Amino acid sequence: DVKVTQSSRYLVKRTGEKVFLECVQDMDHENMFWYRQDPGLGLRLIYFSYDVKMKEKGDIPEGYSVSREKKERFSLILESASTNQTSMYLCASSSQTGGKYEQYFGPGTRLTVT
Amino acid sequence: AQSVTQLDSQVPVFEEAPVELRCNYSSSVSVYLFWYVQYPNQGLQLLLKYLSGSTLVKGINGFEAEFNKSQTSFHLRKPSVHISDTAEYFCAVSDKAAGNKLTFGGGTRVLVKP
Repeated sequence: DVKVTQSSRYLVKRTGEKVFLECVQDMDHENMFWYRQDPGLGLRLIYFSYDVKMKEKGDIPEGYSVSREKKERFSLILESASTNQTSMYLCASSSQTGGKYEQYFGPGTRLTVT
Repeated sequence: AQSVTQLDSQVPVFEEAPVELRCNYSSSVSVYLFWYVQYPNQGLQLLLKYLSGSTLVKGINGFEAEFNKSQTSFHLRKPSVHISDTAEYFCAVSDKAAGNKLTFGGGTRVLVKP
């Protein structure tokens, strides 16, 4: 089974702090994604990566950056957290081969910025 | 850009009754279609997917969905729900040209009542 893990289930940070959210997958997937989930808005793509050291902006990249130094790990960085970044953050991974296309999700990190 | 509309934000349903969750997408180009389920305090889990072939797709836990190209719809159905089907359901679409990048609908919360 594909396993995607996220470093924290719950996180509370103060406004202005630098926040790191870590995601690790164990299936050698090429693609990794970061989403935020808000009620009524579904999941919105923040950033994604098709390869190590590669990154592309998603639909809502403002206020976020990412890092992918190793294939299995994809980090989301909030340079200076703000209250409007309080949300559920979900990481996902998928393969570029095998014709499967679906994404596999981690359990999520609920971030509260006070 | 793709957009996905889930017409019902909440669907209350009695146990053992049928349920249909509606999903419409915007693009007329070739697409891949997915339904995911999110149980409370968990990540997303794939229910079923349409890549090609038969327009009626069967998934896990007795769910099925029908792809209708002319109406750009991918509605999800289950003939008899259980209490354990209480969850949030997300429809997602990927343009074949966009590869693994998914666009999600806003979600439908299903509450199964005894």
